[in-house]
Amino acid sequence: EAQVTQNPRYLITVTGKKLTVTCSQNMNHEYMSWYRQDPGLGLRQIYYSMNVEVTDKGDVPEGYKVSRKEKRNFPLILESPSPNQTSLYFCASTPRGGGGFEKLFFGSGTQLSVL
Amino acid sequence: DAKTTQPPSMDCAEGRAANLPCNHSTISGNEYVYWYRQIHSQGPQYIIHGLKNNETNEMASLIITEDRKSSTLILPHATLRDTAVYYCIVRAQYSTLTFGKGTMLLVSP
Repeated sequence: EAQVTQNPRYLITVTGKKLTVTCSQNMNHEYMSWYRQDPGLGLRQIYYSMNVEVTDKGDVPEGYKVSRKEKRNFPLILESPSPNQTSLYFCASTPRGGGGFEKLFFGSGTQLSVL
Repeated sequence: DAKTTQPPSMDCAEGRAANLPCNHSTISGNEYVYWYRQIHSQGPQYIIHGLKNNETNEMASLIITEDRKSSTLILPHATLRDTAVYYCIVRAQYSTLTFGKGTMLLVSP
């Protein structure tokens, strides 16, 4: 089944403790992206990747890192999480570098709470 | 990307057509209209997109006005499972997809 898989689904951590949220897609998509969703603010893009070893900042990149060493994986890294990073996170992918016509496939989300 | 305006919420009776409007008066000639929906706390789901012609797929129909300044998403026979937030997005090729606040559609029995 074609899908975007995020793990974990729920995560509670403490301020300053490094964490990684994994994202994997099995559709051979070039483009992958991370979003966060907060009440009243909608979905905001954190980082995106047009292909392997190519990443770019989105609208809210501060406090996050990403890497794209292989096509299928796009982990989101929080080196020193803070409470304002408590949010619902979504990973998404699409073929052909995110061009105009392809639909985004989203993962099921990761609810992160930073205490 | 051009800004879109959607009503914050709408109601629809089960089995009836749900017509969700979207205004995008500043849309550019190379920008497409996309619709996604998000069922509570799940990942957004693509519904349909179009440039200037009306489009239909297994999920919905998209009606775009001739001047392209507004569009309507039509769910022909709404079910309870269609209760979700619906996002109208305008986007040029190779630009990022920016989600606004959308319309919360509540389908009632």
